[in-house]
Amino acid sequence: DTGVSQDPRHKITKRGQNVTFRCDPISEHNRLYWYRQTLGQGPEFLTYFQNEAQLEKSRLLSDRFSAERPKGSFSTLEIQRTEQGDSAMYLCASSPFPTGEETQYFGPGTRLLVL
Amino acid sequence: AQSVTQPDIHITVSEGASLELRCNYSYGATPYLFWYVQSPGQGLQLLLKYFSGDTLVQGIKGFEAEFKRSQSSFNLRKPSVHWSDAAEYFCAVVASGGSYIPTFGRGTSLIVHP
Repeated sequence: DTGVSQDPRHKITKRGQNVTFRCDPISEHNRLYWYRQTLGQGPEFLTYFQNEAQLEKSRLLSDRFSAERPKGSFSTLEIQRTEQGDSAMYLCASSPFPTGEETQYFGPGTRLLVL
Repeated sequence: AQSVTQPDIHITVSEGASLELRCNYSYGATPYLFWYVQSPGQGLQLLLKYFSGDTLVQGIKGFEAEFKRSQSSFNLRKPSVHWSDAAEYFCAVVASGGSYIPTFGRGTSLIVHP
């Protein structure tokens, strides 16, 4: 069990550019979650997948954001036409479901800075 | 919808002193409750969780938490703090029987003085 991994760990981009982040969950975890965390705040839910199906999206996930999990394994989160307000830490988590004890395991995050 | 309040933004303790971080939640039924720790620039690590049963739960790194239904609280405690415990601590609540999406508090930053 290698844990949840995220790539890249850091990303600096200019306003208006597109960025894509990758998350590799713990193998055999069928649920995968994306969160955004800004300074001084707790993580805020963006979206989650069960296998390859995207089951829920937060109002925070504007039209510029899209997430995929094509084969039910890794997931990507793309932000188009980035804005300075997108600067944040993007966290990925995975969980086995259903187990009766839903615990999410988090990756190290991708820190995005939009200039 | 559920909510979580962590009333203390910062807590400062001396190394070796005891620690209690407060967490209050709002939810109509018994929720699932979690405490996570986050070191600077890192993801969240699970410290402990409560689903049912014994209201005093033990976690990693010597932490424990007690679920008090009457007070809607799930406070985190440690009898003797180590300098390496300095980090951000997040309480989270999950509505049982739903989509299991946690709601996090804003966090408490723990500062440890030598």
